[in-house]
Amino acid sequence: QSVLTQPPSVSGTPGQRVTISCSGSNSNIGSNTVNWYHQLPGTAPKLLMYSNNLRPSGVPDRFSGSKSGTSASLAISGLQSEDEADFFCAAWDDSQNGWVFGGGTKLTVL
Amino acid sequence: QVQLVQSGAEVKKPGSSVKVSCKASGDTFNTSPISWVRQAPGQGLEWLGRITPFLGTADYAQKFQGRVTITADKSTTTAYMELRSLRSEDTAVYYCARDRGMRGYRYVDYWGQGTLVTVSS
Repeated sequence: QSVLTQPPSVSGTPGQRVTISCSGSNSNIGSNTVNWYHQLPGTAPKLLMYSNNLRPSGVPDRFSGSKSGTSASLAISGLQSEDEADFFCAAWDDSQNGWVFGGGTKLTVL
Repeated sequence: QVQLVQSGAEVKKPGSSVKVSCKASGDTFNTSPISWVRQAPGQGLEWLGRITPFLGTADYAQKFQGRVTITADKSTTTAYMELRSLRSEDTAVYYCARDRGMRGYRYVDYWGQGTLVTVSS
């Protein structure tokens, strides 16, 4: 049972816009910024978005992030087949004094 | 270029211990905590704890308190995670990762390649 709640799966067609939600509580998302990772099968997670809406170098601007209260979301516009991956949200939790994660969302490009 | 290079896969018996290493390149040891995160097959991510090498302090997730020890050797810029009293549920890929940012604005940027630990009789 993950501390942060994400939908298990989302899907879209090429060119479409999809969003992935991440819900938490006051001690994590409510008090700290949210980060997003994507993961291909058999590989380590890679940072996709940090501090709610900042993209590391090399991440296209088709990816955007936002946060409001105790929830956050990741939006992917102009969906491409290579976007298929698992996506995880993460935030520091002040009560647990450690990282908490969402259960992951599998993105399928139809 | 930041690199975190982990030790190879392990197969362990229930009740035994495993120690995974993570060698960090660059200035990581002087600037950043190193976290350990695991991922059971087909599951999400779970944080075990972290060490701040330049302070020599470690923090652990409550779930793993007393069963995990995280250490760091500054002379070789290598972090270690030891998990004891292994059970089948500990079968997972274990990652080390670099923590960045400050209070309220933390993030993990670089991850090791992962180490598969299989617990089986």
